[in-house]
Amino acid sequence: KNQVEQSPQSLIILEGKNCTLQCNYTVSPFSNLRWYKQDTGRGPVSLTIMTFSENTKSNGRYTATLDADTKQSSLHITASQLSDSASYICVVTPQRDDKIIFGKGTRLHILP
Amino acid sequence: NAGVTQTPKFQVLKTGQSMTLQCAQDMNHEYMSWYRQDPGMGLRLIHYSVGAGITDQGEVPNGYNVSRSTTEDFPLRLLSAAPSQTSVYFCASSWGTDSYEQYFGPGTRLTVT
Repeated sequence: KNQVEQSPQSLIILEGKNCTLQCNYTVSPFSNLRWYKQDTGRGPVSLTIMTFSENTKSNGRYTATLDADTKQSSLHITASQLSDSASYICVVTPQRDDKIIFGKGTRLHILP
Repeated sequence: NAGVTQTPKFQVLKTGQSMTLQCAQDMNHEYMSWYRQDPGMGLRLIHYSVGAGITDQGEVPNGYNVSRSTTEDFPLRLLSAAPSQTSVYFCASSWGTDSYEQYFGPGTRLTVT
C-alpha cells in the first residue's frame, strides 16, 4: 500500500536554530514529492516540488532533499523564525495515478 | 486572481441534514479535489476531478457527492450529515498532478451534532 510517513510528529526548537524534518514513503514509482507548510486554521501552502529525478530544491530558508533510492526526503529549515511555527506536510504523487498521498505532518513550534 | 475560494467558512448541521460546500477557482485549473482533515490524521482525499464532466472517488468518498459542470466550480454535497463528518474540509486546484503547484482554499469547518 502506498504510504507516506513523517517524523517526528512534533518538534520544539528555539528561534534561530536549524531543524530537519523527515519523510519516508513507499510510493513507487512516483511522479513528484512536495512539501507544504500549513499555518493553524489555514490551507496548506506549497514550499517545494521535486520530480523523481531531482535531489534538492530550495525556497529561501527551506531546503528539501530527495533520495529516491532509499525513498526518503527531508526538509531543512535554516535560522528558524517564529513564523515558521506550523505543520509541515510531505506529499507524494504516484505515477499513473491522480490520487495524491499526504503524510500526517510534523508540527513545528518555534520558541522565542 | 482570487485563487481558490470556499464557502461557508463555518457550518453547523444537525444529523441527517444535507448541505453543499462550495469551491471555486479562477485560475482555469483542470484538476480539483476535496480533502478532509481530522486531528492526528493527514489530509484525506474525498473526491477529485481532472476536468469538467469528470469526477472520481478518492480515499474516503462515502457520504459525499460531487459534480463538475464547469471548470471553475467543484461543489461537495453531504447528502445526510453524520457526526463522523465533523471535520475541516479543504478544496484544492492545480493544472494537474505532474509537478504543478496545488493551491488550497481556506477551508470550511463543519460540525455535525
